[in-house]
Amino acid sequence: EAQVTQNPRYLITVTGKKLTVTCSQNMNHEYMSWYRQDPGLGLRQIYYSMNVEVTDKGDVPEGYKVSRKEKRNFPLILESPSPNQTSLYFCASRPLARKYNEQFFGPGTRLTVL
Amino acid sequence: AQSVAQPEDQVNVAEGNPLTVKCTYSVSGNPYLFWYVQYPNRGLQFLLKYITGDNLVKGSYGFEAEFNKSQTSFHLKKPSALVSDSALYFCAVTPDQKVTFGTGTKLQVIP
Repeated sequence: EAQVTQNPRYLITVTGKKLTVTCSQNMNHEYMSWYRQDPGLGLRQIYYSMNVEVTDKGDVPEGYKVSRKEKRNFPLILESPSPNQTSLYFCASRPLARKYNEQFFGPGTRLTVL
Repeated sequence: AQSVAQPEDQVNVAEGNPLTVKCTYSVSGNPYLFWYVQYPNRGLQFLLKYITGDNLVKGSYGFEAEFNKSQTSFHLKKPSALVSDSALYFCAVTPDQKVTFGTGTKLQVIP
C-alpha cells in the first residue's frame, strides 16, 4: 500500500531534550516536506526537500533541522525543543516532476513540549 | 510572497443543501491551487486541484471548485451536502516548490 508513515504518533517531552520524528514514504517520491498545524494558523511549511541531500527552508524553519540521506526518509530533528514547538506535525511527499502534483500526507505526530 | 485566505473559520449547512467554502489567494506567476480535507485524527487528503484550463474543476466525493482569476478566488462547492462531509478543509497554493496553506475552514453539516 502506498503510504507515508510517521513515528512516533504521539510524543510528550521536556524542554531541551533532543528528539527526532521520522518520516518514510514508499512511493519513490523525490519531494518531501514537513508542516506544523496550529489552531487558527492552518498548516505552515517547515522544510522541504527536492531530492537526496537537497533541502530548503519553508516559512517556519527556526528551531528545526532536517536531513535527506535516503530518498524514502526525511526525519525532522528538534535539537532543543521549546514549548512553542508543541504542535501537530505532518510529513508529506509527492513526485517532483510537476509542482502541481498533489501531496500525500502522513497521519501526523502530536508533540507536546513541557 | 504568496498567501491564501480562508475567511470563514466555520461553515454550517443543512444536509442536502449546497455548500460553499471560500478561498482567495495572492501569488506571483501561475497559481496551482489545491483543496485538501482533514477528517478528525487523520492526515490531509487531496480533493482537487486547478492547474490550467477549465475554470470549473471536479474532484473527489462530488466536490468541485471554481477558479476565478479576476477575483483571485478558488471556492470549493458541492451541490448537496452530506453529514459525512463534516471535516476541516484547507485551500493551498504553490507557484513554486514552497506550499502555502490557508488557515482552514471547519464544515459542519447538520442532519
